[in-house]
Amino acid sequence: DIVMTQSPDSLAVSLGERATINCKSSQSVLYSSTNKNYLGWYQQRPGQPPKLLIYWASTRESGVPDRFSGSGSGTDFTLTISSLQAEDVAVYYCQQYYSPPRTFGQGTKVEIK
Amino acid sequence: EVQLLESGGDLVQPGGSLRLSCAASGFTFSSYAMSWVRQAPGKGLEWVSGNSGTGGSTYYADSVEGRFTISRDNSKRTLFLQMNSLRAEDTAVYYCAKGSCSGGGCSLDSWGQGTLVTVSS
Repeated sequence: DIVMTQSPDSLAVSLGERATINCKSSQSVLYSSTNKNYLGWYQQRPGQPPKLLIYWASTRESGVPDRFSGSGSGTDFTLTISSLQAEDVAVYYCQQYYSPPRTFGQGTKVEIK
Repeated sequence: EVQLLESGGDLVQPGGSLRLSCAASGFTFSSYAMSWVRQAPGKGLEWVSGNSGTGGSTYYADSVEGRFTISRDNSKRTLFLQMNSLRAEDTAVYYCAKGSCSGGGCSLDSWGQGTLVTVSS
């Protein structure tokens, strides 16, 4: 199974400042025949189901604000929130969908400093 | 608008069985892969199982392989999860999620509100 490891486990950022979350996979999730990274990012606000933010490591889902961006390839990925807003307080998860079981990272909790 | 409505969660004794359902609307159900994802109280997300649009391909997490069975009835636009030999560690909110697939990989672009399964004596 592919193990997904996020860092940090939690971070506190001031409103308007940048938040950066890292995700590392135990093996590459870059599929050579499609040249795509099979990696998604999800946001889960308190008391809510998860919501897809980013897929193919860097493609923003429709309706997701452009302050959210994803980058990386192979085994190392980053989710960046360029200017943190109050509504961004949530837990963020990465997930690989390269091969089953389609494992999630342990989550990163983002709070306001 | 895509809607996914889970049901069937309950309190069940260890060793017992339960069948979860997920009623889908707002999209052509038979054309989309679906998954079950669970979240234990205060914990992170765990992908549990998934299947293809036809139901012909199924996948499981190691933790549930041999105990859980995913299936679907495309005529009724419903996804199921049959859970047998339940353990305390299966206690969680179970979400169904719609796959957005390309090139053999599926992100999960719509989620239900979840149904709570509690395994306890």
